[in-house]
Order: sequence, then structure tokens, then C-alpha cells
Amino acid sequence: GAGVSQSPRYKVAKRGQDVALRCDPISGHVSLFWYQQALGQGPEFLTYFQNEAQLDKSGLPSDRFFAERPEGSVSTLKIQRTQQEDSAVYLCASSLGLDPDTQYFGPGTRLTVL
Amino acid sequence: ELKVEQNPLFLSMQEGKNYTIYCNYSTTSDRLYWYRQDPGKSLESLFVLLSNGAVKQEGRLMASLDTKARLSTLHITAAVHDLSATYFCAVDPGTASKLTFGTGTRLQVTL
Repeated sequence: GAGVSQSPRYKVAKRGQDVALRCDPISGHVSLFWYQQALGQGPEFLTYFQNEAQLDKSGLPSDRFFAERPEGSVSTLKIQRTQQEDSAVYLCASSLGLDPDTQYFGPGTRLTVL
Repeated sequence: ELKVEQNPLFLSMQEGKNYTIYCNYSTTSDRLYWYRQDPGKSLESLFVLLSNGAVKQEGRLMASLDTKARLSTLHITAAVHDLSATYFCAVDPGTASKLTFGTGTRLQVTL
């Protein structure tokens, strides 16, 4: 079946612009995660949804970062007033919501802030 | 705060050789994951280890978990070029939510 998809795959933004990154999880997956991966580093957790509820947003680096999943399926990560340090690959993952569980990752969105 | 460390960070090995990647973590956990990432691609799940002494094998890769030592290993047997990638371990502290990843081990297998 189809895996996790993300769009756009690449985004270039000027500093100060707002961006929105989309994630389509695997159908039927209850849990959805966002991670940020800087160049040469491992992914770092940003936020986690179970259905439409955002259960953990402890990894969001500032209040410029906002995520939503209003209908418990597609999710959007929004970054307001982008800064150069926001440049990274943003990975979305989904899982069945079991305990324990395996997270399946999408291809990521590479964000470059000029 | 959970910390996950991998070593080595970079590994260059010849085809046919064996080697081991180590993953140490700082808090009690019995849930450890290994992922593979090819350049410019996303993460592919390799192994899920869920108990002390767990061992999983797939082809030339074998992963094990020692929860008492807070250590997991990924052993590569008779490496081939196709195994060249970055390998990450990730720990779930028991919440079935966020994973904490290691810094990754970039493996380069040369002919």
C-alpha cells in the first residue's frame, strides 16, 4: 500500500516568510509524528498526534512552530517568520498507535531559508 | 533527559569484512529501533528490539539488545557495497510516542 507522503519535497523560503508543510500518513494510522533533521544529524522529535489530539509538542523549538491534524488524518506543520536556523529536513512518521509500535517515515521536506 | 550515543560515527570497511556498530543510551528502556537512511532518502525500519537479550537478523545484519547494559549492537557480516548508508538507532522510553535518535553511523563499504 501507499506509504507516508509529504509535500512539498523541497521548499525555499526567504527569511521572514511563513511556510506550511503537509504530511499524509498511511491510511488507518492513528499516530503521527513530526521530526526535524539537521544536516549530518539524527532526527529530533518535534510533536506527536494521536488522531486529532496533539499529545506532545515538547520538541517544537519556538512559538513560531505550529502543527495541526484537524480530522485525524492529514497534518500540517507551519513555521511562521522563518529563520535561517529553521533550514533542515522535516520528517513525518505515522504508526498504528500500538504499544510498542514502529514508526514509518515519509520522504521528508527539505526546507532552505535564505 | 534521554541521550543516545552511537559509535563509530563513520565507518569505512572493505567488502567481505565484519564490523559492529554500538548504540548506548542513558535511561532504562526495553524498546530499541534500528533504521537505515540512504543519502537524500527517508528512514527505513530495519529492526525492532523489545526485550533484554532480543536478537534479530536479516541478511548480513544482526541486531541485539542488552537492556541492563543499555546497549544495542548492529553487527555486519561480510559487508557488501549495497550496505553503504547511514544507520540510526532510536530509543522509545516507554511512552510509545517520541523516539530519541542517535547521531547515526555513516557506513561506507569499499570494493
